[in-house]
Amino acid sequence: SQQGEEDPQALSIQEGENATMNCSYKTSINNLQWYRQNSGRGLVHLILIRSNEREKHSGRLRVTLDTSKKSSSLLITASRAADTASYFCATDTKAGNMLTFGGGTRLMVKP
Amino acid sequence: DAGVIQSPRHEVTEMGQEVTLRCKPISGHNSLFWYRQTMMRGLELLIYFNNNVPIDDSGMPEDRFSAKMPNASFSTLKIQPSEPRDSAVYFCASSPQGLGGSPLHFGNGTRLTVT
Repeated sequence: SQQGEEDPQALSIQEGENATMNCSYKTSINNLQWYRQNSGRGLVHLILIRSNEREKHSGRLRVTLDTSKKSSSLLITASRAADTASYFCATDTKAGNMLTFGGGTRLMVKP
Repeated sequence: DAGVIQSPRHEVTEMGQEVTLRCKPISGHNSLFWYRQTMMRGLELLIYFNNNVPIDDSGMPEDRFSAKMPNASFSTLKIQPSEPRDSAVYFCASSPQGLGGSPLHFGNGTRLTVT
């Protein structure tokens, strides 16, 4: 089974609204990363949060990490149609030397 | 910065044929990763290299799959013989520091269809 699991699997919102995506994982991590994938393209790194950090911001993105609950959230504020994509969390675990991706959340932002 | 370059972008082949996917990582990056993406299984790490040396190939599904990195600027993933279940998008990614907290830079993938 995958280390990271995103929730919801799909999300549809109107432009201007906020979008929140969640990621849960199973084992202790060194860091957690969020990526975006547009249709037919490779993944693009958005933000990395380390296990000793609780919150991080980058532009309209806000990521939180709760290691006690083994979960993270990605908030996109004031969404735009161009934010339509799939979003993946990826964990770099302490046990293994791998970056493991979750199944992703498909976000659709309607203009 | 040209990014990670993969070729071909699309490959259609018949079952039993050999398939070779190619990747040029970002110059100066010393770690390279091959991932496979399918609807059913999501993104799976197949193998990764550090300083041209294979470090973990536990994700390679079968002996039909092999990967090489003869130098710091080139890697190949070969499937021989190919089977329909190998149909997927194969991504190559590179990183400056391996898995020590560095983001991965992905290519745009090779969409493989095996008929």
